[in-house]
Amino acid sequence: VQLVESGGGLVQPGGSLRLSCVVSGFTVNTNYMTWVRQAPGKGLEWVSVIYSGGSTYYAESVKGRLTISRDNSKNTVYLQINSLRAEDTGVYYCAREADGGASGYWYFDLWGRGTLVTVSS
Amino acid sequence: SSELTQDPAVSVALGQTVRITCQGDSLRNYFASWYQQKPGQAPVLVMYGKNNRPAGIPDRFSGSNSGNTASLTITGAQAEDEADYYCNSRDNYAHRDFGGGTKLTVL
Repeated sequence: VQLVESGGGLVQPGGSLRLSCVVSGFTVNTNYMTWVRQAPGKGLEWVSVIYSGGSTYYAESVKGRLTISRDNSKNTVYLQINSLRAEDTGVYYCAREADGGASGYWYFDLWGRGTLVTVSS
Repeated sequence: SSELTQDPAVSVALGQTVRITCQGDSLRNYFASWYQQKPGQAPVLVMYGKNNRPAGIPDRFSGSNSGNTASLTITGAQAEDEADYYCNSRDNYAHRDFGGGTKLTVL
């Protein structure tokens, strides 16, 4: 079981990036998949989730600029980030979230190592 | 800003017991989950639900919930437990939220 993020790098303010999370060991379309980011020296910030049924949700701080999606054939989850700002700088983690609908327990049980996004001119 | 409140820093003597707390209104409706993060590493799930430990997490870790407060207790803290700990929960609108994190120092 593995989640491997990629796509980060140095981007100028106002630019765009698409982050990828390639998953092995389980299928993305039968699980909840989420993105969490962490600014340098700061705490974790939940960014977005895509449900197994396809519904998507975003943190208010990023709504309108970020789009989460998945490609079932590639077993990959994406995060498109537009209009990048300095405050988007940080490590972006992909994680699997347990569907708490039946148990009442929602939690992120598998994490990737993250990909670093740096927004700077 | 986070709707879940954690103490920024807590310390514990080696072998002693420490409790890390997380407060927020969402905890009245949803259980918290807890994550341990060491420098340069991805977070690791250490507790979820009422008191559920993932496989591989030592039984010195335990969890509890009361009202708007969730707690993570380490009984007999070890040097390797020194890390940042984050709580997480969700709200009625499917948004998730992390607490600000607690830096645990083992003395």
